[in-house]
Amino acid sequence: EILLTQSPGTLSLSPGEKATLSCRARQSVNNDYVAWYQQKPGQAPRLLIYGASTRATGIPARFSGSGSGSDFTLTISRLEPEDFAMYYCQQYGSSPRTFGQGTKVEIK
Amino acid sequence: QVHLVQSGAEVKKPGSSVKVACRASEGTFSHHTIAWVRQAPGQGLEWMGGIIPFLGTTDYAQRFQGRVTFTADESTGTAYMELTSLRSEDTAIYYCATDRGDFHVWGQGTQVIVSS
Repeated sequence: EILLTQSPGTLSLSPGEKATLSCRARQSVNNDYVAWYQQKPGQAPRLLIYGASTRATGIPARFSGSGSGSDFTLTISRLEPEDFAMYYCQQYGSSPRTFGQGTKVEIK
Repeated sequence: QVHLVQSGAEVKKPGSSVKVACRASEGTFSHHTIAWVRQAPGQGLEWMGGIIPFLGTTDYAQRFQGRVTFTADESTGTAYMELTSLRSEDTAIYYCATDRGDFHVWGQGTQVIVSS
């Protein structure tokens, strides 16, 4: 099972600032099959990024994913008020699918 | 794209079973694989496994093997997750989602509370 570790646990930022979220895998993720999700309280997760760097349909361009191997990053270029939420990474390069423990992006 | 609608909240006694439904809004899963993911209160996401409805093939996460069963009715576009021998630690929101490896479209979630 591939363990994913997200950092930081909490990111305190102001609207307009840049957010950089990290997801590190204990071993290399096959084909860089990493996805990122946003989850707001009381809502289901929403797919943001798949294949490490491809934005899902309808996701704004301020969200970008990068990385390869065992080190992946989600960047939000300029935070909008609606971006303050929980973010999870997930790997699907091998079974079982696993998630990181999440990063909370909160308003400073 | 497909829209997933799940059944309502459940309150169950320890040792009992729960069956959660996930219906495709257009009445068909259109060959999508359906995954089940759960989230305990205040916790992260946990993949439970999935089913390919038009084939009936299933894949279970090891920790749920023997306690969870996924089924699907292609004629109604509905998938089901049944979890048996419930314990308090199974209290969670259970989600279905279309599975491409990533989880593309999610149902709204079904709250399951296990309490005596």
